[in-house]
Amino acid sequence: KNQVEQSPQSLIILEGKNCTLQCNYTVSPFSNLRWYKQDTGRGPVSLTIMTFSENTKSNGRYTATLDADTKQSSLHITASQLSDSASYICVVSASGNNRLAFGKGNQVVVIP
Amino acid sequence: NAGVTQTPKFQVLKTGQSMTLQCAQDMNHNSMYWYRQDPGMGLRLIYYSASEGTTDKGEVPNGYNVSRLNKREFSLRLESAAPSQTSVYFCASSGQGAGEQYFGPGTRLTVT
Repeated sequence: KNQVEQSPQSLIILEGKNCTLQCNYTVSPFSNLRWYKQDTGRGPVSLTIMTFSENTKSNGRYTATLDADTKQSSLHITASQLSDSASYICVVSASGNNRLAFGKGNQVVVIP
Repeated sequence: NAGVTQTPKFQVLKTGQSMTLQCAQDMNHNSMYWYRQDPGMGLRLIYYSASEGTTDKGEVPNGYNVSRLNKREFSLRLESAAPSQTSVYFCASSGQGAGEQYFGPGTRLTVT
């Protein structure tokens, strides 16, 4: 079973609208959670990283939240732009090792 | 400062052929990683190198070998390519342990 589950798998939104992506994880013991943005044909690029004690972190129009008790995170995109069309990948790190658990990604398409 | 670079960008192989994917980073990072990314699946770790001179298997190491040539370079070798190895391969590096990973642009490999 995948240790990181993301939903929805894909969504289409109108330019200017907001959207929220979800990530549930079972990785334990938890170290940190990252959201990456991956444009088509490119490598993933980090948007945010949160540790156990952080509830929210913003990067421009991207705001990530973390509830370590329920093992859930969300990524909120405000006032979407065409350039936000990408796959958003939730990545969770366990304490004590170098390995990361990757979600399959949320595919976002922003249309004019 | 180029970050993480990968060569080649694209490659087509016939079943049974061999090839080496090259990766280099100029961020003085200790750890380097090789992943593969397939449609509908998250990034999967093939091999990683926590520091110069060490390599370890990841989630899907069969059919691959790696060499940590020096601190900058980490290569991935396919000795006898198989169609199941058709994928996009990403190299990544990080400064320490489970710190943020920086990804290269990827190599798109097709095995016929």
